[in-house]
Amino acid sequence: NAGVTQTPKFQVLKTGQSMTLQCAQDMNHNSMYWYRQDPGMGLRLIYYSASEGTTDKGEVPNGYNVSRLNKREFSLRLESAAPSQTSVYFCASSALMGGDGYTFGSGTRLTVV
Amino acid sequence: QKEVEQDPGPLSVPEGAIVSLNCTYSNSAFQYFMWYRQYSRKGPELLMYTYSSGNKEDGRFTAQVDKSSKYISLFIRDSQPSDSATYLCAVHSGSARQLTFGSGTQLTVLP
Repeated sequence: NAGVTQTPKFQVLKTGQSMTLQCAQDMNHNSMYWYRQDPGMGLRLIYYSASEGTTDKGEVPNGYNVSRLNKREFSLRLESAAPSQTSVYFCASSALMGGDGYTFGSGTRLTVV
Repeated sequence: QKEVEQDPGPLSVPEGAIVSLNCTYSNSAFQYFMWYRQYSRKGPELLMYTYSSGNKEDGRFTAQVDKSSKYISLFIRDSQPSDSATYLCAVHSGSARQLTFGSGTQLTVLP
């Protein structure tokens, strides 16, 4: 039972480059989330998808886009990476929009130079 | 004011100590209360889940919710070095679309 799988685990980008972070869950969860975690800032919600076919902005959506490809997969795209986007990114999923808690992936460590 | 406040620590205790981690929240609509544990360089994992007020015990861990004072606690008995991690509280109203997290408390248990 893999749970939530994120790829890649590590990435270094140059300023202005683009990339897509992939997330897939095998628990048949309806809701999926993307967070970033920075020292002293806690978890900050970037975007979420309450159910397949819907996406909504979270607390810090600027500079990011998302795609809910199907029920299993939710990707996060950085169109033009900036050093301020250096962070650890976590994907999470939930059956009941968080009311049952989240299952998190292991994270992607992104450095933008 | 943040909806959930959590003392960031860091907190350092000797092995065997009783640890108390706490959060306060402002919205009385919250009714689901959780604690996550996050080891260094790992994703958070759900540790304790509580609905409404009261206590819930799981081994050395006890989660306590006092809705009258909007206060939630996690107690760790006989703490071990393997308990060293960041602990995040999280709350949910039941009708929200996402969890609201505290900022996390970094705990170190010294052998």
